Amino acid sequence: EVQLVESGGGLVQPGGSLRLSCAASGFTFSDYWMYWVRQAPGKGLEWVASINRDGVDHYYVDSVRGRFVMSRDNAKNSLYVQMNSLRAEDTAVYYCATDLSPMVRGWAYWGQGAQVTVSS
Amino acid sequence: EIVLTQSPATLSLSPGERATLSCRASQSINSYLAWFQLKPGQAPRLLIYDASSRATGIPARFSGSGSGTDFTLTISSLEPEDSALYYCQQRSNAWTFGQGTKVEI
Repeated sequence: EVQLVESGGGLVQPGGSLRLSCAASGFTFSDYWMYWVRQAPGKGLEWVASINRDGVDHYYVDSVRGRFVMSRDNAKNSLYVQMNSLRAEDTAVYYCATDLSPMVRGWAYWGQGAQVTVSS
Repeated sequence: EIVLTQSPATLSLSPGERATLSCRASQSINSYLAWFQLKPGQAPRLLIYDASSRATGIPARFSGSGSGTDFTLTISSLEPEDSALYYCQQRSNAWTFGQGTKVEI
């Protein structure tokens, strides 16, 4: 069974940093692209970042580029996002997600979400 | 950036009725479109990928169609549990979501 479990969320002051982790199991992690998606309070879904299978290529939404860094450790079946210079508008539930299969690109598997609150 | 525009914002229907949700892309995205269902306190659920392929375990009453810039999610006969927010998402150029359609039953 595919499982994705986020951790590392919490309350942080504006300008601070936080690192989210996503532990993956039940599939061959290194075969899959991975994604971070967030939902701010009262808002819709927003794609945040993507990383390819070997971790060489990353992609970011404009609002986080230069502040967030996505990475992965295929030996540990783990995904990360280092979030720096956090702003109030980064407050959201952050989900990690992955595709239905290596060849079928649809975000079928999601974690339960990690709450990030940026507030003084 | 590819912008996805969903309509209507809210759809209020009765059980057994047909729901038709629209998603329009600001430029052609071929068939690189997915639909998600979102309920409060739950992770998003993939319904449709590549415009018309139903994801694993999704009931047959959900169907997707379209290509290029115009796409439709159809729920053929609404069930009470279909009350939710529905989002379209493209993966043709980076990734973006529409703003969502709320389905009330």
